[in-house]
Amino acid sequence: ELKVEQNPLFLSMQEGKNYTIYCNYSTTSDRLYWYRQDPGKSLESLFVLLSNGAVKQEGRLMASLDTKARLSTLHITAAVHDLSATYFCAVDAGGADGLTFGKGTHLIIQP
Amino acid sequence: KAGVTQTPRYLIKTRGQQVTLSCSPISGHRSVSWYQQTPGQGLQFLFEYFSETQRNKGNFPGRFSGRQFSNSRSEMNVSTLELGDSALYLCASSLDLSMGLNYGYTFGSGTRLTVV
Repeated sequence: ELKVEQNPLFLSMQEGKNYTIYCNYSTTSDRLYWYRQDPGKSLESLFVLLSNGAVKQEGRLMASLDTKARLSTLHITAAVHDLSATYFCAVDAGGADGLTFGKGTHLIIQP
Repeated sequence: KAGVTQTPRYLIKTRGQQVTLSCSPISGHRSVSWYQQTPGQGLQFLFEYFSETQRNKGNFPGRFSGRQFSNSRSEMNVSTLELGDSALYLCASSLDLSMGLNYGYTFGSGTRLTVV
């Protein structure tokens, strides 16, 4: 059974700081997705990572994938309040289980 | 272009009733997946449809079922509702290129089901 672990699960940080969210998974996969969810809202796609070594950046967010280490990171640079949300990573192992999600990282960015 | 449309947005049902939720995928997307989101269990995969066929199914009881129509629209049905079925139900569509390989899932706004 594929397991996806995110850490930390809760993160409170100040504006202007940098931080990294980690996503570890337990089986071979080269397809990993990052989503953002605001309270009461749906999932917004942030990044689609489809190969080992993939790195994508959008604004203050950068995501990377290391399939050998079974690890993806979401790095936040110079955080701003608008980035406060819950961030999920999800792994597609190509089997019968669809996407397997981590528990999410609840991020609060304080002025 | 239009996104993934789910109806209704909110629903309140009584235990023992049944409910049908609808999902219209992005035009051209042939794969539709359903997920249940609860505070306790997080996001869990329900099932996936492609070209009117259920391709994958998650670990949910038989009370949860679904179907896909020829225009790729999908419905999911939950019979004999239980309090624990209260959740946000999310539908996702994807451009499925071949053999289940796709390049991302777009989620709808969800249907929030409350069972009382």
